Amino acid sequence: SSELTQDPAVSVALGQTVTITCQGDSLRDYYASWYQKKPGQAPVLVVYAKNFRPSGIPDRFSGSTSGNTASFTITGAQAEDEADYYCNSRDSTNDHVIFAGGTKLTVL
Amino acid sequence: EVQLVESGGGLVKPGGSLRLSCAASGFSFSRYTMNWVRQAPGKGLEWVSSISSSSSSIYYADSLKGRFTVSRDNTRNSLYLQINSLRAEDTAVYYCARDFGSSYGSILDYWGQGALVTVSS
Repeated sequence: SSELTQDPAVSVALGQTVTITCQGDSLRDYYASWYQKKPGQAPVLVVYAKNFRPSGIPDRFSGSTSGNTASFTITGAQAEDEADYYCNSRDSTNDHVIFAGGTKLTVL
Repeated sequence: EVQLVESGGGLVKPGGSLRLSCAASGFSFSRYTMNWVRQAPGKGLEWVSSISSSSSSIYYADSLKGRFTVSRDNTRNSLYLQINSLRAEDTAVYYCARDFGSSYGSILDYWGQGALVTVSS
C-alpha cells in the first residue's frame, strides 16, 4: 500500500508565506486534498484537486502538485492559521483513502 | 445545510463492542460514498473505512480489517461502524466524513463533530 509523508512541524512569522509539502507515489495518480485540524474541532477541507477551495476558505490558502509531491501554501499567514494540516489522497493500488502524518504549523 | 452527527461513543472495557452511528442531513445521502476516520489522542488522522453509496464497495484500513464493520441505511440516512474486540489503542475520536465524489482523489468535504471512544478497564 502507498504512504504519504509530511514534515512534522513548520513555523512561519505572522504575515509571511509558508509551504507544507506532502510526498507519495499515489500523488502521481491522484491529487492531494488538504485539511486544517484545530484541537477539539473537526477537520476542515481547505484545498482540493488542482487548486480548489471550498466556499468560505480564504484565498491565502492554495495548493499545487509536481510529480510525487503536493504543496500547500499559506500566503500571508494569520494567527488563526495555527493548526495541524493534513494531506490525503487515494491509494491507486487498492482504492483506499490515505492520510499523511500531519504538519503542526506554528505562527510566530 | 449539510450535517453529520455521530453518536454511540463512550467508555468501553477491553474486549467489548460498540456501534457508532452517523446521522446525515441536508444532502442526498444515498448518492455519496461515506467514510470513517479516527484520531487517537496526540496522533494524526487515520482513515478507518469507506462504503460506497449502494454499499457495493467497502474498504477497511489493512491494520483494522476483521474487527470493524461498516454499514449504512439509506432509508434512514445513517452510517454505522461496528467495532468488536475493542483494544486500548482503539481509543480515539471517530469522525464520519462525506466523500465529495471525484476522480481527482479522496476529497472529504464534510465532517461530523466526532464521537469519542475510550477503551479502558
